[in-house]
Amino acid sequence: DTAVSQTPKYLVTQMGNDKSIKCEQNLGHDTMYWYKQDSKKFLKIMFSYNNKELIINETVPNRFSPKSPDKAHLNLHINSLELGDSAVYFCASSQNPSRLVNYGYTFGSGTRLTVV
Amino acid sequence: SQKIEQNSEALNIQEGKTATLTCNYTNYSPAYLQWYRQDPGRGPVFLLLIRENEKEKRKERLKVTFDTTLKQSLFHITASQPADSATYLCALSLGGSGTYKYIFGTGTRLKVLA
Repeated sequence: DTAVSQTPKYLVTQMGNDKSIKCEQNLGHDTMYWYKQDSKKFLKIMFSYNNKELIINETVPNRFSPKSPDKAHLNLHINSLELGDSAVYFCASSQNPSRLVNYGYTFGSGTRLTVV
Repeated sequence: SQKIEQNSEALNIQEGKTATLTCNYTNYSPAYLQWYRQDPGRGPVFLLLIRENEKEKRKERLKVTFDTTLKQSLFHITASQPADSATYLCALSLGGSGTYKYIFGTGTRLKVLA
């Protein structure tokens, strides 16, 4: 059973399009995240939800909108895609901070987004 | 602003030797430091965490040290094997004990030669 699963794994799209990436976790974790990994392998947090409540919202263009319908799902919708949005997007989940220190984040396998 | 540096150059070592990777940080004092392994095309996998009041942490062939004076963590893999070849990322906590937020270094690629 995959603990954190993201779909799609690959996404190639044209500039200006709108696309969504979906994420689901079956670990029973309360907190989910979106990270972006650029071509230089820099992994940067974008958003985090705890029990469907937004708790981390980094400086990200408002073309990016997360949505958490329940604590097991966190989706990322991107409007008006730009070339610079090309990256690998990782979903992750964790338990509450007191347990995060022992178990860390659990990451999905990533969605490689290519904007052409 | 906070800055994390890991060796951007790849590290090649011979099988059986000890690999040592470095994570340096500036401009803040993290309460926790984590190490992750990332294989190509996969997400990072959590390995170890060390707290600011701990000098050293071990798990099987892995050892992590945390020197808050030098603002540096060292990650050691003893008796390295080709299967240890991967990119290793350090991540430092932002905020206190209740934080969910970690910032990641860019990683060091390790290659263990048979």
